[in-house]
Amino acid sequence: DSGVTQTPKHLITATGQRVTLRCSPRSGDLSVYWYQQSLDQGLQFLIQYYNGEERAKGNILERFSAQQFPDLHSELNLSSLELGDSALYFCASSVNYRAYEQYFGPGTRLTVT
Amino acid sequence: AQSVTQLGSHVSVSEGALVLLRCNYSSSVPPYLFWYVQYPNQGLQLLLKYTTGATLVKGINGFEAEFKKSETSFHLTKPSAHMSDAAEYFCAVTMMDSSYKLIFGSGTRLLVRP
Repeated sequence: DSGVTQTPKHLITATGQRVTLRCSPRSGDLSVYWYQQSLDQGLQFLIQYYNGEERAKGNILERFSAQQFPDLHSELNLSSLELGDSALYFCASSVNYRAYEQYFGPGTRLTVT
Repeated sequence: AQSVTQLGSHVSVSEGALVLLRCNYSSSVPPYLFWYVQYPNQGLQLLLKYTTGATLVKGINGFEAEFKKSETSFHLTKPSAHMSDAAEYFCAVTMMDSSYKLIFGSGTRLLVRP
């Protein structure tokens, strides 16, 4: 158990809908990363937050957004969902934005039908 | 820009045999390198990491990897495979920008035959 929690574990929704994925980092970790794992794209970095502020953006679609709250949990919002958004979404946390060791949560499997 | 190439999307070994999973990286600066393991329906678990210092690094579950700068490689090995080692393995490099995000290889699925 990495100490990073993600909810829900599974999510099934229809095209055009909006969903929110939640992540709680390890106790004491200030930085949260979101990654997407799909069959065609592999594991890709989406976005990073550090202590409530956006730190870096990767291959994140405009339909996707995220935030980190004062209690350091983070939410990834996916809207206008398409079939191709079906994937595993991982959250990882680290002590700070320069810490190279990231701890991954169990992931949320999103299925868009 | 950093990148990672894992040779072989699938590797099959017999139980008790040597495990060798290959990883080559591309980086314009000294890299930080990682191996993660993903068991079915689970998240990624850090196996081992190289940052600086000793080029042979030991990780959990008997795995080790050697950083070879001249070959730009970071291959993962285990002397004797166990059935429980069957999983997907990802090599990754840290992006040395403001984020320190991970750049992953495409993964290698390890099958262990009884």
